[in-house]
Amino acid sequence: DTEVTQTPKHLVMGMTNKKSLKCEQHMGHRAMYWYKQKAKKPPELMFVYSYEKLSINESVPSRFSPECPNSSLLNLHLHALQPEDSALYLCASSQDGRMRSNQPQHFGDGTRLSIL
Amino acid sequence: AQTVTQSQPEMSVQEAETVTLSCTYDTSESDYYLFWYKQPPSRQMILVIRQEAYKQQNATENRFSVNFQKAAKSFSLKISDSQLGDAAMYFCASSGAGSYQLTFGKGTKLSVIP
Repeated sequence: DTEVTQTPKHLVMGMTNKKSLKCEQHMGHRAMYWYKQKAKKPPELMFVYSYEKLSINESVPSRFSPECPNSSLLNLHLHALQPEDSALYLCASSQDGRMRSNQPQHFGDGTRLSIL
Repeated sequence: AQTVTQSQPEMSVQEAETVTLSCTYDTSESDYYLFWYKQPPSRQMILVIRQEAYKQQNATENRFSVNFQKAAKSFSLKISDSQLGDAAMYFCASSGAGSYQLTFGKGTKLSVIP
């Protein structure tokens, strides 16, 4: 069982829809991440939140809007997506937002997103 | 800047045998960490093993061990007594100390033959 929970597991949406992806962890971690993963490729970092503040935005288009309402919850709001945005979206968390060997990133199962 | 290279897109191993997955990296950091993650078809990225670059001793986790050659910038993963559940995509990754960024290799797809 994963300690990082992502919902929904699958999402199909049209290009004009608005939807949100949700990620939750109860490990007391203070950094949370969004990754995009295309088929047979490694994950690509999108956003990093540290102590509920956006620390990194990897030049992600504005049609993706992250939100961190509290230290346990991370959302990704989607609007006017394009077919090329179809991918697996992974959420991860780590203890204090800094990469240290004893504090690796823990990943969720991901949300499989399909844009029609 | 960091780069991670996995030169084996696919590998296969007979059940109960041993297999080694290769990974080389390049980094300008003096202090960094190396990881192997496993991603089965269930999609979750699972940490298999990690190594601090300042430690000379190779990390071991049950059937999984690494061969860390710092001078050669090599970080291979050895899986002993391979099991069907080991079939997955394996990603090698690196990160500088105090960095948010995980740099992943392109992955190696491991198949386990019964």
